[in-house]
Amino acid sequence: GAGVSQSPSNKVTEKGKDVELRCDPISGHTALYWYRQRLGQGLEFLIYFQGNSAPDKSGLPSDRFSAERTGESVSTLTIQRTQQEDSAVYLCASSPPGVLGGNEQFFGPGTRLTVL
Amino acid sequence: AQTVTQSQPEMSVQEAETVTLSCTYDTSESNYYLFWYKQPPSRQMILVIRQEAYKQQNATENRFSVNFQKAAKSFSLKISDSQLGDTAMYFCALIIQGAQKLVFGQGTRLTINP
Repeated sequence: GAGVSQSPSNKVTEKGKDVELRCDPISGHTALYWYRQRLGQGLEFLIYFQGNSAPDKSGLPSDRFSAERTGESVSTLTIQRTQQEDSAVYLCASSPPGVLGGNEQFFGPGTRLTVL
Repeated sequence: AQTVTQSQPEMSVQEAETVTLSCTYDTSESNYYLFWYKQPPSRQMILVIRQEAYKQQNATENRFSVNFQKAAKSFSLKISDSQLGDTAMYFCALIIQGAQKLVFGQGTRLTINP
């Protein structure tokens, strides 16, 4: 596709259930990022992938959060035993090879997660 | 650690007016990049403008320009001849060269009134 895509667009789940969020980056983009945006807030960094390795997991808020990436394509963010404080929009971004930190990050439309 | 602060939670102007959004940041690094992103109700984050810290010249993109004051660690966005389609949340963001994560401010909700 032309841009970063994410699915589902919206997800409503019950407290304690596991959820899986998917991100399809732009073809050829080697770097992939996950961010969380709570209501009315800026974006918080969660995790970064270069290829399929994750050199920076520093933003994952707890061990209930995990992510993986297949090669330089799809990534999934999994939240186990969801809590109400996990309710947020989860945004994925990708960027092409180049100067790390200098490239534009292209964002997807996000997944709005609501935990009841 | 890096921080980005946007002190204006909301702003509202009339169509065709000029508006300036404020952003200050803090970092001990000397090589970094600054960005303004726009987020309309569709949630899609769209890059508005980008500034390399090593460049003294302020970046411009059509109606959008920045006032980058490196010593003051200030990075404001000016929107000239504002249009209804400029209505959105605007986020200021910083990334250190060689790093991976963007650090965002809390955002400014901008409304352009007809």
